[in-house]
Amino acid sequence: GAGVSQSPSNKVTEKGKDVELRCDPISGHTALYWYRQSLGQGLEFLIYFQGNSAPDKSGLPSDRFSAERTGGSVSTLTIQRTQQEDSAVYLCASSFERALYNEQFFGPGTRLTVL
Amino acid sequence: QQPVQSPQAVILREGEDAVINCSSSKALYSVHWYRQKHGEAPVFLMILLKGGEQKGHEKISASFNEKKQQSSLYLTASQLSYSGTYFCGTAGVGGSNYKLTFGKGTLLTVNP
Repeated sequence: GAGVSQSPSNKVTEKGKDVELRCDPISGHTALYWYRQSLGQGLEFLIYFQGNSAPDKSGLPSDRFSAERTGGSVSTLTIQRTQQEDSAVYLCASSFERALYNEQFFGPGTRLTVL
Repeated sequence: QQPVQSPQAVILREGEDAVINCSSSKALYSVHWYRQKHGEAPVFLMILLKGGEQKGHEKISASFNEKKQQSSLYLTASQLSYSGTYFCGTAGVGGSNYKLTFGKGTLLTVNP
């Protein structure tokens, strides 16, 4: 079956512009995560969606970052007024319910470069 | 808090063994291990739950010592395909039941 897909695979933008990153999770997975991976760093948690529950936004680094998940499926991560420090690979992952007991399936990521 | 992985990097010749450690400053409920090859998505290896269990996956196994709040990943008779960055993700006792905190990773290079 299809895995987690993300688009675009690469995004180059100018400082101050807004960007939208998309994630299509595996069908049937109720949990969806966004992570940020900077060079030499681990996977930094950004936001978590689970079914119809309120998302856990505790990892979002600033109010320029927001995310939504429509219909319990596709998710969009939006970064407004991008800054150079936002440059990183943004990974999306999905799992059956809670990842505490289940593996997370990661997408290939979107490499964001802010000039 | 972010778990600490050691070593940061290791270089092996094919057939050699390696151990990667993951340590936390707080009590752990579970430890998850992932491998990421360059330019690819992280891929799940295994989950270890509180109870000090040990798991195996082909020639890759792991242990979880809850008293020491530490997990170790053992790679035996390494193959070229083992090359990549290994991440541990931890979930703390009493914390959320869905959020993992990942270490910075250990870069493993296996040479012929």
